[in-house]
Amino acid sequence: LAKTTQPISMDSYEGQEVNITCSHNNIATNDYITWYQQFPSQGPRFIIQGYKTKVTNEVASLFIPADRKSSTLSLPRVSLSDTAVYYCLVVHTGTASKLTFGTGTRLQVTL
Amino acid sequence: EAGVTQFPSHSVIEKGQTVTLRCDPISGHDNLYWYRRVMGKEIKFLLHFVKESKQDESGMPNNRFLAERTGGTYSTLKVQPAELEDSGVYFCASSHTSDFGQGVINYGYTFGSGTRLTVV
Repeated sequence: LAKTTQPISMDSYEGQEVNITCSHNNIATNDYITWYQQFPSQGPRFIIQGYKTKVTNEVASLFIPADRKSSTLSLPRVSLSDTAVYYCLVVHTGTASKLTFGTGTRLQVTL
Repeated sequence: EAGVTQFPSHSVIEKGQTVTLRCDPISGHDNLYWYRRVMGKEIKFLLHFVKESKQDESGMPNNRFLAERTGGTYSTLKVQPAELEDSGVYFCASSHTSDFGQGVINYGYTFGSGTRLTVV
């Protein structure tokens, strides 16, 4: 599976939009991108996933350029409760195989 | 629906003792996974069950770790004897897949809250 690289940490103020970019240069044709959020003392929680272009749900948006070598998770108007670790993962389509986690991005939101 | 449940949430044991972690997946999820994060490291895959069968156990660190999923429902992960380096958080996840003849469709992974294991 393609290795992912994302910033180790980010800081933001409450109310701002946060964009976390992940690179996955070796992504394969039948791979998709998925993002998970993890709070302390909890397991990772699915946020959003996509294959190409843009995906939006009630929590976030995911932007994937045409070459699919990177993706950007966008969190609109973050609040203190969005402080968490965000993981970008590449998953093989059509399988139930394991997830490979990287370091994740630790987002700290302050007032 | 109930999520993935793990028990206990915390466990402190002495080196050399045995500990058994339990995971109850979401009902109907054939796939069950164990992961762990040791201090300062990334979350690492341990193994994957499909129903009661071990599909992939490439991440099991050594033969002190034994995972079972009798009947294809809940799973246990036993560490015997425990060593200091086994300390960490053990996560369980489950997923549901369907095969409509054009490939497997995975409906996503749901994680439990983890078991924090401390070996002293």
